[in-house]
Amino acid sequence: AQSVAQPEDQVNVAEGNPLTVKCTYSVSGNPYLFWYVQYPNRGLQFLLKYITGDNLVKGSYGFEAEFNKSQTSFHLKKPSALVSDSALYFCAVRLRNSGNTPLVFGKGTRLSVIA
Amino acid sequence: GAGVSQSPSNKVTEKGKDVELRCDPISGHTALYWYRQSLGQGLEFLIYFQGNSAPDKSGLPSDRFSAERTGGSVSTLTIQRTQQEDSAVYLCASSGTSGGPYEQYFGPGTRLTVT
Repeated sequence: AQSVAQPEDQVNVAEGNPLTVKCTYSVSGNPYLFWYVQYPNRGLQFLLKYITGDNLVKGSYGFEAEFNKSQTSFHLKKPSALVSDSALYFCAVRLRNSGNTPLVFGKGTRLSVIA
Repeated sequence: GAGVSQSPSNKVTEKGKDVELRCDPISGHTALYWYRQSLGQGLEFLIYFQGNSAPDKSGLPSDRFSAERTGGSVSTLTIQRTQQEDSAVYLCASSGTSGGPYEQYFGPGTRLTVT
C-alpha cells in the first residue's frame, strides 16, 4: 500500500524567509512524487514532480523539492517566500510502473506567509 | 488548450434529492479521476476510469454513489438520495495518454451543499 504523510497541518513563515513544507512517503517500490498547490476556492494546480535523475527538482513559481530515498522524503522548498504563496499544499505519490493509477495524496499543509 | 471543466460550479439541493455532477476532461486524456474534499481538507479518492472502464471504485462511500464515463470523455458522478454528509467539493482530474508518470490535471470543482 502507498501512503503519504505531511506532518505539519500548518506552516507559518515571514515574507522573504525560506520555506519548507515536509512530506514523507511509503511505497513498496520506487515512487513517482508530486507536489500540488490549492488556492482558495480553486482546484489543485500541479507544481512539480520527481521521476528519475537529479534529486533536486525545480517547478513553478520558484518552488523546488528534494527527493531523498534513504529518508523517503520529498520536502518542498522555496528560498524566499511571498505572501502570494499562502495556500494549501499537497504531496502525492504513485508507484512506478503502475500506469495511470490514482495519485495518493497527503492530507495537505496550509502555508501562511506573513508580511 | 482547454483544461478540465466541471459543471455546475455550485449546487444546492435538498436532502433526499438526486444530483448529477459532470466532468469534461482534457481532450485525449484516457484516465479520469473523481475526488471529494470537505471544507478545505484533504482529498478523498472516489473512483477512477481508464477509458470507459472503472478499474478502481474502492472509494465510493456507499451504493448511493455511482459514476459513468462515455466515449472515453465526459464523466458523470451521480449521488442518489443525498444526505447532509455528502456536502463537499467534488473534484475531477484527468491525465495522460497511456503509461508514463503523468501528473493529474484538476478541474475547479463542484461545490455541493445539501440542506
